[in-house]
Amino acid sequence: EDKVVQSPLSLVVHEGDTVTLNCSYEVTNFRSLLWYKQEKKAPTFLFMLTSSGIEKKSGRLSSILDKKELFSILNITATQTGDSAVYLCAVVKGGATNKLIFGTGTLLAVQP
Amino acid sequence: GAGVSQSPRYKVAKRGQDVALRCDPISGHVSLFWYQQALGQGPEFLTYFQNEAQLDKSGLPSDRFFAERPEGSVSTLKIQRTQQEDSAVYLCASSSRPYTGQGGYSNQPQHFGDGTRLSIL
Repeated sequence: EDKVVQSPLSLVVHEGDTVTLNCSYEVTNFRSLLWYKQEKKAPTFLFMLTSSGIEKKSGRLSSILDKKELFSILNITATQTGDSAVYLCAVVKGGATNKLIFGTGTLLAVQP
Repeated sequence: GAGVSQSPRYKVAKRGQDVALRCDPISGHVSLFWYQQALGQGPEFLTYFQNEAQLDKSGLPSDRFFAERPEGSVSTLKIQRTQQEDSAVYLCASSSRPYTGQGGYSNQPQHFGDGTRLSIL
């Protein structure tokens, strides 16, 4: 059965801290892995990772994929209160659909 | 439109009533997905459309759930004879599907709407 597991489930940090969020997966017919940020509304797209070892970066956020060990990490440096959200990891299962298999998310709370 | 639009944002219904949830995808997006998100969980796949064709409905939990996209644009998810366990946020996502030649299509990220929060009393 396909599964995506995220850790930790929740995390509380102070502004300025660096955090690392983890995502491991077992999905047949893997195509790519995506990270989303979800506040009270729509999950907003952060990164799509298809190849191992290539870091994707956007401001203070970065992510990397390891297709041999079947995991990805999302790093956030110099955290701000606006980074507080649920971070969702999802794997694209290839085929006619390319549907997303999601983890349960990591709830990040950044305190001032 | 600029983003995926869903309506209504909130829907309260009594058990046994029928409900209809609407999704207006990003203009030109061929692929449309519906997901169900229970409280504290990640979204779970319900169904997929490529233009007007429903290619995958393996995630629909029962035959009370029905989705359509008759003109390949707006989609409606209908739930008949609602039950309390249907209470969840229903998310719609769309993506483009650019053809890369020789029968191949590029894998593009899905973009989500704000969802409809459905509460069944």
